[in-house]
Parts: sequence; C-alpha cells; structure tokens
Amino acid sequence: EAGVTQFPSHSVIEKGQTVTLRCDPISGHDNLYWYRRVMGKEIKFLLHFVKESKQDESGMPNNRFLAERTGGTYSTLKVQPAELEDSGVYFCASSPGASVEAFFGQGTRLTVV
Amino acid sequence: GENVEQHPSTLSVQEGDSAVIKCTYSDSASNYFPWYKQELGKRPQLIIDIRSNVGEKKDQRIAVTLNKTAKHFSLHITETQPEDSAVYFCAALTVPRNKLVFGAGTILRVKS
Repeated sequence: EAGVTQFPSHSVIEKGQTVTLRCDPISGHDNLYWYRRVMGKEIKFLLHFVKESKQDESGMPNNRFLAERTGGTYSTLKVQPAELEDSGVYFCASSPGASVEAFFGQGTRLTVV
Repeated sequence: GENVEQHPSTLSVQEGDSAVIKCTYSDSASNYFPWYKQELGKRPQLIIDIRSNVGEKKDQRIAVTLNKTAKHFSLHITETQPEDSAVYFCAALTVPRNKLVFGAGTILRVKS
C-alpha cells in the first residue's frame, strides 16, 4: 500500500514568489491534515480536511495560505506571496477516522530567501 | 484550544538506561494520545498510542502511561539502544474537532 506522498521534497523560492505544495493521502483516508515545523519547534497544526471539506483551519497563519482538496483526494497548499517566516518543513498526514493512527508524509522543506 | 507541553526538550542517556518523556495537555475532553518518532530525514511514525479509557499500555521496550486527572501522559523506553536516538513527539486529539495537537518534541540521544 502506498503511503502519504508529498511533492516537492524541497523548495527554495524568493520572498514574494508563489509556491504550491501537494499531498497525496493514503487511498480511502477521509481525514487529511497539514502541519508545519519551524526549526526546532513543535509540529504546528495548520488545517484539517474531512473529504473535501475544511473541518478546521484555525492554524492557518494568514490569508497568504490557501489549501484545497478537490474531490476529496489529493490536497494542495499554496503560499502566495511567500515571506521569510514561512520557511520550515510542511507535513501532510492522513487517517481513515478519528482516534486512529495518522500517517505522515515525508514532508516538504520550504526555504524562502 | 488544546495546548500540549513536552519535557525535556533534549535527553541524553547511556545505552541500556531508561528514558522518560513527559507531556501535559490542557483540554480534559482530549481522548487519544499518540507518540511519534522521527528519525533524521524521515517522516514521523507512530510508535505507541493510548486512549483515555486506559491507564497504561506496553509494547516491548516502550510503554505509555496516562493520568487523566492530572492531564499528563508519559513515554517510557527501557533498555535504550542507539537506534532509539530520534526526535519524539507526543500529541493529543481534541474533540469534537478531531485536531491532533503536538508537543514541541524531545531530542533523545542514546550514547553507546
């Protein structure tokens, strides 16, 4: 069974540019989460999809971040325009339901210069 | 909202010794507490979890305890080995939003 996959694995962009991160969850997993880890800090929640609906987007830092999950399958997280403080590792995770294991992707390391 | 505190931030132990990592949570409604291990350059992976109706769970050298009254839970690793070296994250699942909130992580170094 394929795991959670994220693309790209690394991205280096200049301040002001746009970047789109993609996450393909495990097939059949209704729950999809986006998290971000800034160097040395906690894995911080960004948002949670149940199928195509945003269940909770309370962790999204500001309106420069836009997440979508068209058709309840893969998800994208767009940052536009990127700022220096957006640098970090963005993780996606999926699970089949609540109170069960969430499987993580390998993360996308975003560096904004 | 839920807040998860994790201590210590770094922990060095001698091979064969035990390691204990502690977490506290703020939302008494949280009912699921997983622990993830992240090795260098790899994705976080679940190593053990506990639900709120259980006080302790064991899996070989690792165990987790939960004190619902005090709102804290701990990870215990016995007979540590060099391959246990990694970053460990605790988390709590808030209800009804089903949001997994993580602690800041503990860097565990096992010295041989």
